[in-house]
Amino acid sequence: GEDVEQSLFLSVREGDSSVINCTYTDSSSTYLYWYKQEPGAGLQLLTYIFSNMDMKQDQRLTVLLNKKDKHLSLRIADTQTGDSAIYFCAEAPGGYQKVTFGTGTKLQVIP
Amino acid sequence: GAVVSQHPSRVICKSGTSVKIECRSLDFQATTMFWYRQFPKQSLMLMATSNEGSKATYEQGVEKDKFLINHASLTLSTLTVTSAHPEDSSFYICSARTRGLAYEQYFGPGTRLTVT
Repeated sequence: GEDVEQSLFLSVREGDSSVINCTYTDSSSTYLYWYKQEPGAGLQLLTYIFSNMDMKQDQRLTVLLNKKDKHLSLRIADTQTGDSAIYFCAEAPGGYQKVTFGTGTKLQVIP
Repeated sequence: GAVVSQHPSRVICKSGTSVKIECRSLDFQATTMFWYRQFPKQSLMLMATSNEGSKATYEQGVEKDKFLINHASLTLSTLTVTSAHPEDSSFYICSARTRGLAYEQYFGPGTRLTVT
């Protein structure tokens, strides 16, 4: 079965780096995603990584994938107050397959 | 990125009535649309997947007679909550995907349903 786990809460100071972690169980996952949800809003796709990659960097965002340990992380450099939100990791076994979402991590940025 | 809209953003209805929520892809053709339900402080739960022109595929435990999904065109899907009860109160989010961009799913802003 599929299961995606995240820690529930993370608090960082503005300007520091944030690292949000995620573990998944489906070894056939091909696509791994990070989404951001602001209060009362839908989800915004931040970035994604294919399972044949170890790392992907996109401006302030760095995604690391350890396929052996089924561990995915999202690093946000120079965290800003506007980054405060809930972050969901998600995985899918294939491009046209169902996406399974993690439990979400609430990021609080302290000014 | 692609834009998905939902209407209404908030709705309050009385127990026993039906509510229709619309999901539209504004600048692309959505070959597949998904409906999710999100309880407070929880993750998204996939309710059903709908492909344009065919019947929706419901996840286990989701009553298809209660949550009617119609994906009549490549830009519109609707979710009708029939005979709503207070336990149906939730945040409903749709998402859409287009052929050729299989790995990208675009989400609507969500609809807050409150059943009194």
